[in-house]
Amino acid sequence: GAVVSQHPSWVICKSGTSVKIECRSLDFQATTMFWYRQFPKQSLMLMATSNEGSKATYEQGVEKDKFLINHASLTLSTLTVTSAHPEDSSFYICSVGQGSGNTIYFGEGSWLTVV
Amino acid sequence: RKEVEQDPGPFNVPEGATVAFNCTYSNSASQSFFWYRQDCRKEPKLLMSVYSSGNEDGRFTAQLNRASQYISLLIRDSKLSDSATYLCVVTEGYQKVTFGTGTKLQVIP
Repeated sequence: GAVVSQHPSWVICKSGTSVKIECRSLDFQATTMFWYRQFPKQSLMLMATSNEGSKATYEQGVEKDKFLINHASLTLSTLTVTSAHPEDSSFYICSVGQGSGNTIYFGEGSWLTVV
Repeated sequence: RKEVEQDPGPFNVPEGATVAFNCTYSNSASQSFFWYRQDCRKEPKLLMSVYSSGNEDGRFTAQLNRASQYISLLIRDSKLSDSATYLCVVTEGYQKVTFGTGTKLQVIP
């Protein structure tokens, strides 16, 4: 069964609006979750590291005021794309690391289309 | 130089063929190594972990060479369902996860 659940799978929004994506760790508590973005035919790029109870750590070039991350509990992290623009259209995926082998589990991903 | 480099692909192979993917990494402090499979418009899913001693799972064999910083994936008797993009993933703990750009495999009937 799924280890990490992400919602919604698909979302279309108008330019200028905000969209929230949820990432839930189903089988274990996760103090750290990761958010990635993947443009067509490109590799996954880490956007930010979500830390439970504290501020997220953003990668260089990722606007923290545009991509708001909240990790209020040990099983839920949210990514809000604020004032979305068409260039924000992408595949957003969250992940959680688990186990001594550092296995990475991914959510199902969320396709965002901004029109 | 990219931290994780993979064969550019795409690989178009007939059913039943054997195909090998290669991956090199630059961070000598890397600790864990994986192959993930990503289907079109889906999230990556763990295919197998990679160990220095080699790891075999059915038709799939993965190998790690730490000295050369090289990872391989061998798929025997290719099936149509093997068509996907294969991602080489290298981690240094949970905090540093690096993905290769992926190699696309298309198995042809």
